[in-house]
Amino acid sequence: DADVTQTPRNRITKTGKRIMLECSQTKGHDRMYWYRQDPGLGLRLIYYSFDVKDINKGEISDGYSVSRQAQAKFSLSLESAIPNQTALYFCATSDPPRDEQFFGPGTRLTVL
Amino acid sequence: GESVGLHLPTLSVQEGDNSIINCAYSNSASDYFIWYKQESGKGPQFIIDIRSNMDKRQGQRVTVLLNKTVKHLSLQIAATQPGDSAVYFCAENTGGFKTIFGAGTRLFVKA
Repeated sequence: DADVTQTPRNRITKTGKRIMLECSQTKGHDRMYWYRQDPGLGLRLIYYSFDVKDINKGEISDGYSVSRQAQAKFSLSLESAIPNQTALYFCATSDPPRDEQFFGPGTRLTVL
Repeated sequence: GESVGLHLPTLSVQEGDNSIINCAYSNSASDYFIWYKQESGKGPQFIIDIRSNMDKRQGQRVTVLLNKTVKHLSLQIAATQPGDSAVYFCAENTGGFKTIFGAGTRLFVKA
């Protein structure tokens, strides 16, 4: 079984809709992250959480919110989706002191 | 290496040859560097890492070289195989939460 799972894997939605992307992990890691990937731009950090009570904005948090429901679950919401939020979204976990991140398989989101 | 825009740098190598993928990093305070491999339809996967107190580290068929003087990182893959075809990302970390990812290099392996 995959250590980091994301649902859904693909989603097509319309402008203005609220969307939630889910991430679950069985690695027992405290740290979780949400990234977005656009062609040619690498991965950009949206939000990160170091434990259940800790939520922090990344470099591109505008238009997004997150919820850390439990150590194993970290969800990303788009309150009112817009077309330029069309991208591939990845959840990741890490366990200090190592900074290696473990990524989920990604969610491909298309906003029409 | 790094790129800006919609087109990734591309490296095409013959199966069995060695591959060298380069990366220029941005922050001289970065002290931890990682190479990730991303296959089509999957999330990035860790390949190898290196701390700034080292200039070379070897894994199985992969070697990472770090030149802090010119802020350059390279990934060498020995005897490249078709399964090595993927996008490769370098990433830098200053010891805190934030990992900065490069845009990636696409490796094609010709049979």
